[in-house]
Formats: sequence, structure tokens, C-alpha cells
Amino acid sequence: GENVEQHPSTLSVQEGDSAVIKCTYSDSASNYFPWYKQELGKGPQLIIDIRSNVGEKKDQRIAVTLNKTAKHFSLHITETQPEDSAVYFCAASNPDTGRRALTFGSGTRLQVQP
Amino acid sequence: DGGITQSPKYLFRKEGQNVTLSCEQNLNHDAMYWYRQDPGQGLRLIYYSQIVNDFQKGDIAEGYSVSREKKESFPLTVTSAQKNPTAFYLCASSSLSKGMYNEQFFGPGTRLTVL
Repeated sequence: GENVEQHPSTLSVQEGDSAVIKCTYSDSASNYFPWYKQELGKGPQLIIDIRSNVGEKKDQRIAVTLNKTAKHFSLHITETQPEDSAVYFCAASNPDTGRRALTFGSGTRLQVQP
Repeated sequence: DGGITQSPKYLFRKEGQNVTLSCEQNLNHDAMYWYRQDPGQGLRLIYYSQIVNDFQKGDIAEGYSVSREKKESFPLTVTSAQKNPTAFYLCASSSLSKGMYNEQFFGPGTRLTVL
């Protein structure tokens, strides 16, 4: 089955700096890669996703890049703000298979220092 | 207000007891999922269902059971056979419409503690 590895496990940046979180996946058939933000005691919220037919997607201060050959994808947050502090999860799936469920990375705790 | 609701928010259980966690969605989604989250870890799939009256085991189904009698409801029972049930439980749902990728929406979670 799919295996997703995520690095780093913790990341501390100064407000205004950029943050980068990286994930690798094992199943070359995976073609959908979402990123979730989870605040303390709450359920994860989808912040951005990318399909395998594109290499990059951007939404304001957030961008995701995908390298299918190397089987890795990354989340980039620019101009970080204290409210960006949370745990971020990457995930992978192949919706074309029967299962459709997501395989998650282990999470990155991002701390933005004011 | 469309979304996914889970209840209760906090649940305490004595060893040897079965407990049922509720999950309801009004998004008209076909698929529903249960994940377990342990401290400092990612989410692991317990069970999922893509249609009423049908469900599949995920990666850590042992000690859990589910039912899907209605499209909008997917309750999870944590049985006494689950050896380490203390965790944060998350329910999610997604559409299975053709052309829709697997955007999953999560509920607020239930924190289960075994006393």
C-alpha cells in the first residue's frame, strides 16, 4: 500500500519568513495530494491540493509543488503569520482505485514566532 | 449550515465497555471515513464506506465496528476488543461524483479516553 513520509516534524520560523514542508510517497499510482491544517483540538481543514497532471498550484500565500518522477511534493507558505501556527499534514491517494481513502504523513508542527 | 458533526466531543469509557461515536453529514456525500489520530502522529484509517449498507476495513480495523444504514450517518463502535482505544477520532466524508477528486471534509473529532 501507499506510504507517505513527511519532514520536518517541527518547524519554527520568524513572522514574515517562508516555511517549506516536504513529503514523499511510495505508490507511483497516487494522483491526488492534499494538504491539511489542523489547529489544536479540531479536525483537519483542507488548505490546498494538487492533482498529478500539474506541477504547481498557488493560492495567495500558499503553494504546492509536485515532482512525479521523484515522488515528492512540498508545501510552501510565504510571509508567515502567527495564525499560520498549526500542525500541517500531507496526504496521497488514487481516487481511481476502489479505496479512495487518504494516506497521511505524520504531520509537521509549524510555529511562527512574532 | 452544511458540514459534518461528531458527538460527543469528549467521551470517557471504562475498560471492558463498548462505546459508539456518532458522525452525521448533510453534504450529500456518498463516502464516509473514520480515522484515528494518536498524539504527534498522522491519521490512520479505521473503516470507510462508499455506499449505504456497505463498508470496508481500513488499516487498523481490529476492535472497531461500523454501520451505514443511512447515507448521512456512519457511527463507529469502539469495542472492548480494542486494546488501546484512547485517541482522537475523526470522521470525514467525500463526494464520489465522476470527475471529483478525493476532497475529504473532516468533522471536529471526538476525544475518547479510557479510564
